[in-house]
Formats: sequence, structure tokens, C-alpha cells
Amino acid sequence: DIQMTQSPSTLSASVGDRVTITCRASQSISRWLAWYQQKPGKAPKLLIYGASNLEGGVPSTFSGSRSGTEFSLTISSLQPDDFATYYCQQYNSYPWTFGQGTKVEIK
Amino acid sequence: QVQLQESGPGLVKPSETLSLTCTASGGSISSYYWNWIRQPPGKGLEWIGHIYYSGSTNYNPSLKSRVTISVDTSKNQISLRLTSVTAADTAVYYCATGRDGGQLWFDYWGQGTLVTVAS
Repeated sequence: DIQMTQSPSTLSASVGDRVTITCRASQSISRWLAWYQQKPGKAPKLLIYGASNLEGGVPSTFSGSRSGTEFSLTISSLQPDDFATYYCQQYNSYPWTFGQGTKVEIK
Repeated sequence: QVQLQESGPGLVKPSETLSLTCTASGGSISSYYWNWIRQPPGKGLEWIGHIYYSGSTNYNPSLKSRVTISVDTSKNQISLRLTSVTAADTAVYYCATGRDGGQLWFDYWGQGTLVTVAS
């Protein structure tokens, strides 16, 4: 299985901050990576697919990038609605696997 | 827009079989991959497997010996069966799919259903 390692596990930030979450794949997954946001008691919501493609309706403050097997999700200006847990998911090789999640907390 | 609704027993006894159904509305289930994903309380997401509308399946090897995913196109339903459950199978179970046919990431999710394994 491809291991997806997210960092940090928890991130404390303030409204307006720029934050970056990293996801590293244990082997090449090309650009086949998605990012999701999950709030307590809710299903995950798709933010990014194909490493850098913004899902429709997602604010442009979210962006994704790739460098080799390292992927990043950046929120350019953190908004109150952005405090949540974020997961990466690879869909290059079966079984699809998720990172362990990054919780973005209010500082 | 496709809407997904999971249904099934919320409590299953150890060693028994967990059976869930996902009903899709707002569109046909043809030409899509239909996924089951689970999340133990307070933990991360685990992909269980998926089925293409034609019936071909892929399962997570960690569960492959116990899981069956099937599709009923006439009812727009996707089913999950997980045999010989233990407390480790306690989780919120989600069905999910992509907006476009053949898409492997997940635009649409059900609200999830909590299944507790306990006697």
C-alpha cells in the first residue's frame, strides 16, 4: 500500500494566517491526489483534485501544489469557516489511501 | 446533483455480518465508481473498496476476505456486506462517488451511518 504521511497533525493558527499542510507519498503517485475538508459530524468535502485543481465552489484561498512525492495544501488567508480537519487521498494505486489528517485549530 | 443516503442497522453483534445500502438519487448510477469508506470514531478515513456500475470491484486487501460490494442498477443502490465483524469495525460508513464517469476521487458523499459492533 502507498503510505500517505501528513504533517503537521495539528496546526494552531489565527484568522488571516497563511497555512500550509503537507502530504508525502511513500512512492510516486504522479498527480493523483485529492484534498478534503471535514468538519465534526459531517462527511468530507472535496477541495482539490489532481493535486492542484480547485473543485468548483471552493474559495480561491485554497490551493494545491506538488513537488515530486510531496504535496501541499495552502490556505492563503484562513477564514473562520476553515477550522476543520484536512485529509489527503491518493488514487494512483489500489488500495486508495488517506493521510492521517491535519486538524486546523483556532490559536 | 447526485444525493447519496446510507441505511442499515446501527448495531451489529460481534461475529455477525454488517449490511448497508447506499441509495443514489438525482441521477443514474451507470458509468460511475461507487465507493465505501469508513471512519472509526475520532480517527481517520479508510477506503473499503469500490464497484463500477458494470459490477467490477476492487477491495482494500486489509478487508478483502470479508467484504462484498454489489450494485443494483434497477434500484440505484449499492450494497456493502462485511462478515465476521469485531469491535474494530465500529465506524461511520460512507458511500461516495465522483461527479464524472470513471472519476476516482470523491465529489459526492452520503451523510454517513454509524455502525457499532457490540453484544
